[in-house]
Amino acid sequence: KQEVTQIPAALSVPEGENLVLNCSFTDSAIYNLQWFRQDPGKGLTSLLLIQSSQREQTSGRLNASLDKSSGRSTLYIAASQPGDSATYLCAPISGNTGKLIFGQGTTLQVKP
Amino acid sequence: DVKVTQSSRYLVKRTGEKVFLECVQDMDHENMFWYRQDPGLGLRLIYFSYDVKMKEKGDIPEGYSVSREKKERFSLILESASTNQTSMYLCASSSVRRGAVDTGELFFGEGSRLTVL
Repeated sequence: KQEVTQIPAALSVPEGENLVLNCSFTDSAIYNLQWFRQDPGKGLTSLLLIQSSQREQTSGRLNASLDKSSGRSTLYIAASQPGDSATYLCAPISGNTGKLIFGQGTTLQVKP
Repeated sequence: DVKVTQSSRYLVKRTGEKVFLECVQDMDHENMFWYRQDPGLGLRLIYFSYDVKMKEKGDIPEGYSVSREKKERFSLILESASTNQTSMYLCASSSVRRGAVDTGELFFGEGSRLTVL
């Protein structure tokens, strides 16, 4: 059974810092991996999808990498801003049904 | 843009009531999912469906049922609501993977916060 761990559970940084969020998963036989952002009381917003044939994906100040063999993914946020404050979740996608298993998330606070 | 719409953002129901949570997506996605999210437990899959009239149990199906009569609509049903079903419910949809083109990106609705008294 797939298990997903995200480290750290919470992070507080001053504005402008570059930071790395870590995600590890136990079953490396995944197809894709998706990173999400969740604001309090809201649904999940898709940030990046890394396909199985890719090693990384970039969108603006976000860069996500995937190492299937070691069961790890990282989300890199450059020049963090207060608006980046949210919970970030990773979810490897297993099987053709697209079933995702989620980590507990990393709650990020960026202080002005 | 993909849009997943959940009919109710906030609901308050009484123990024993029948509750319907509706979800509609506008991108002709085959897969649809219902998750619940609770503090300390994260997101847990209740049911999913990869075609009309098809359904599969997720990790915590007990106390729930689903209906998928049309491709765009996936309903979660609580036959007799209980207080331990107080939670945030999230609907999501995705397309299937086709050949060498990996899709499967998951899109979520805004969530329905259910309180059972």
